[in-house]
This record gives sequence, C-alpha cells and structure tokens, in this order.
Amino acid sequence: DAKTTQPTSMDCAEGRAANLPCNHSTISGNEYVYWYRQIHSQGPQYIIHGLKNNETNEMASLIITEDRKSSTLILPHATLRDTAVYYCIVRGAASNTGKLIFGQGTTLQVKP
Amino acid sequence: DGGITQSPKYLFRKEGQNVTLSCEQNLNHDAMYWYRQDPGQGLRLIYYSQIVNDFQKGDIAEGYSVSREKKESFPLTVTSAQKNPTAFYLCAVGREGEQYFGPGTRLTVT
Repeated sequence: DAKTTQPTSMDCAEGRAANLPCNHSTISGNEYVYWYRQIHSQGPQYIIHGLKNNETNEMASLIITEDRKSSTLILPHATLRDTAVYYCIVRGAASNTGKLIFGQGTTLQVKP
Repeated sequence: DGGITQSPKYLFRKEGQNVTLSCEQNLNHDAMYWYRQDPGQGLRLIYYSQIVNDFQKGDIAEGYSVSREKKESFPLTVTSAQKNPTAFYLCAVGREGEQYFGPGTRLTVT
C-alpha cells in the first residue's frame, strides 16, 4: 500500500469549510484513497473513499487530482463536533489481510 | 459502532492475569478485526478473521489469542505473555477498506 503524507495539524473556524490535504505520490492504479476520522477516545469512523473520480456523501467530499498523487477531504461546514484526527489511507481494492494502515493523521481543531 | 459492541469500556487487571475482551456485531459481516492503539499512535492489526472458524495473525499477534466460533463474535484474549498490554483495543468489521469500528476497550494492566 502506498505511503501517505498529511499535515500534523490544522485549524478551522466553525461554519467554514475544512480542507484536509493528503499526498500519495506513489499510489498505484488499483489503489483507492480512504478517509477515516477518530474523535478523542472513540473508534475510527469511515468517512469516504474514491479511486479517481471526485466523491461526495452526507459527511464530506473527496477531491482527487487528475494524476492521483494527492487528494483533499472537504468538510463543507465544519462544526465543533468535527474536531478529530483525520486519516488518509491508500489501499488496494483487495488485500490478503484486509488491514488498514493508519499513519499519524491530521489533527483538525474546529474553533468557535 | 452502532452494530458493534465492545465490552467493557474500561478494564483493569493485575500483571500476570489473562483477560478477554468482547466484540459482538449484528451487521452480518464475515470479516472481523482486532487493532491496538497506543497513545498518540496509529492502529496496529493484532488478529483478523475473514470467516467463521478461521483467523489469521496480524502484525502484532504475540501475546494475544482469538476465537471465531460464531459470525457475530470475535473475542480477544490478552495473555500474560503480552509484554505491554496497556492500550486501547478496537474491534472492527467490514470488508476491504471500508471498516466499521466499535467504541473500544481501554485496558490498563498494573
């Protein structure tokens, strides 16, 4: 699975869009980009994933660059409850183990 | 969480004792996973099971054991052989990259 690089921390004002970047320059053609978040002392929560097209669901939007070397998770109207560690994970469609490799992630602090 | 139950939320044990952490799911997933998280760190895979009566070691299986007798249940035993058992333990279900996690059990061994 390709390695990902994310900023260690970011701040966002409540009500504004939070844009969380992720670099995955070694991604291969069959690898998906997954985003999870972990609120303090809770289990991680799946947010969204994509292969090459942009994706949107009720939680967020995922923008993947045309060369697929980077992506951005967008929370359109951040609330205080969105304060969490956000993990970008690149993973093949099929894996022998099914495991997810969580790096250090980005700590997003939403401020009033 | 939602359809994934882990109990208890907090667990305290003395060194040298085995302890079993519970994970139950009603989401009808075949695959179940156990991860460990240490403070400020990412998750590491302990064991996984892709089907009933079958399970495989993950990256840090030493000192742990599991069973998968029912689709709904995947208990994890932390044995006295695990050198640093104090951690946050997370159970997950799902397939491929889309996994759903339980609320976790925070184990403290003194």
